Amino acid sequence: RKEVEQDPGPFNVPEGATVAFNCTYSNSASQSFFWYRQDCRKEPKLLMSVYSSGNEDGRFTAQLNRASQYISLLIRDSKLSDSATYLCVVKGLTNDYKLSFGAGTTVTVRA
Amino acid sequence: DAGVIQSPRHEVTEMGQEVTLRCKPISGHNSLFWYRQTMMRGLELLIYFNNNVPIDDSGMPEDRFSAKMPNASFSTLKIQPSEPRDSAVYFCASSLESLTGQFGSGTRLTVV
Repeated sequence: RKEVEQDPGPFNVPEGATVAFNCTYSNSASQSFFWYRQDCRKEPKLLMSVYSSGNEDGRFTAQLNRASQYISLLIRDSKLSDSATYLCVVKGLTNDYKLSFGAGTTVTVRA
Repeated sequence: DAGVIQSPRHEVTEMGQEVTLRCKPISGHNSLFWYRQTMMRGLELLIYFNNNVPIDDSGMPEDRFSAKMPNASFSTLKIQPSEPRDSAVYFCASSLESLTGQFGSGTRLTVV
């Protein structure tokens, strides 16, 4: 079983729509969680951290469910510029250096 | 802040040739990571350096791969001899301590 699993998509949505997708992780001892964004032929970039109580960053909302071991990302009022691959990233102990990346969920926002 | 700098951006080489990828981490960062990304396997950690010392090289696929970090501002990833299955995008990332860090723009390697 992979450490981090994501629905690859693609999620094709019209501008202004809301899109949401999940990621599951296998290691119950995981401590830190992140969403990265990767544009085509570019490097991954940190989008946001995911906190236990859930958190928002503008149109983006991240949730963590430790009991079911999944993380979610919701994008409201989607823009064309939101088209990208979203990588779910999980980290172990606080001082653990190793990031485990999911394969990514592709989102395409159409005009 | 120039970010993590990788060179070359693209590399096309023939099977059997030696390939050297280069990385300049962000100044002041003490952790450096080499990743490989392919469609089939996604992003994989190859090796992790902390304070210029290799801490974990368990992700290095085989003896054909080697990495060095002679000082805090430079690292190399070498493949010798290269094979077509090594074709991938190789990313270098640096961070301060155990934070998530920042990726370079990557080197797109094609071995023919």
